[in-house]
Amino acid sequence: KQEVTQIPAALSVPEGENLVLNCSFTDSAIYNLQWFRQDPGKGLTSLLLIQSSQREQTSGRLNASLDKSSGRSTLYIAASQPGDSATYLCAVRREYGNKLVFGAGTILRVKS
Amino acid sequence: SAVISQKPSRDICQRGTSLTIQCQVDSQVTMMFWYRQQPGQSLTLIATANQGSEATYESGFVIDKFPISRPNLTFSTLTVSNMSPEDSSIYLCSVERRYTEAFFGQGTRLTVV
Repeated sequence: KQEVTQIPAALSVPEGENLVLNCSFTDSAIYNLQWFRQDPGKGLTSLLLIQSSQREQTSGRLNASLDKSSGRSTLYIAASQPGDSATYLCAVRREYGNKLVFGAGTILRVKS
Repeated sequence: SAVISQKPSRDICQRGTSLTIQCQVDSQVTMMFWYRQQPGQSLTLIATANQGSEATYESGFVIDKFPISRPNLTFSTLTVSNMSPEDSSIYLCSVERRYTEAFFGQGTRLTVV
């Protein structure tokens, strides 16, 4: 059974700092991995999708990497801003057509 | 991408009553998904809704408690029946493009009193 763990559970940083969020999964045979952002009480916004054949994806100040062999992904946020404050979730799909399995998320607070 | 509209955005309901949540997508999709997010928890898949067939429920979720309709390729409803305070959660509708990228609605925040 696939399990997804996110570390740290919560993170507080000053504005402008670069930061890394971690996601690990127990079964390295994944189809893809997706990072989401969730604002309090709201739905999820897709940030980055990494297919199993890819090693990283970039969008603006966000960069996500994937190391299937070690069962890990990282989300790098450059020059953090207070507007980045949210919960960040990663989710993996084991096979084409399988459901997404979510981690518990990292609560990020960027202080101005 | 996909634009997903969910209604209502939030509701406060009496125990023992039922609430129907609507999900509208801006384009046709084969499968729609319903998730639950309990307070402080991550997302758990309730069921997968296919047009023209019965929904497929995950372990721990049953049709009598969470009946789902999927009348066409752009719309689905989830009903939370005979509610108790333990049903207080955020309920989210999701669609996926060719089993690649998943997109979510804004969620329905349900409080049962």
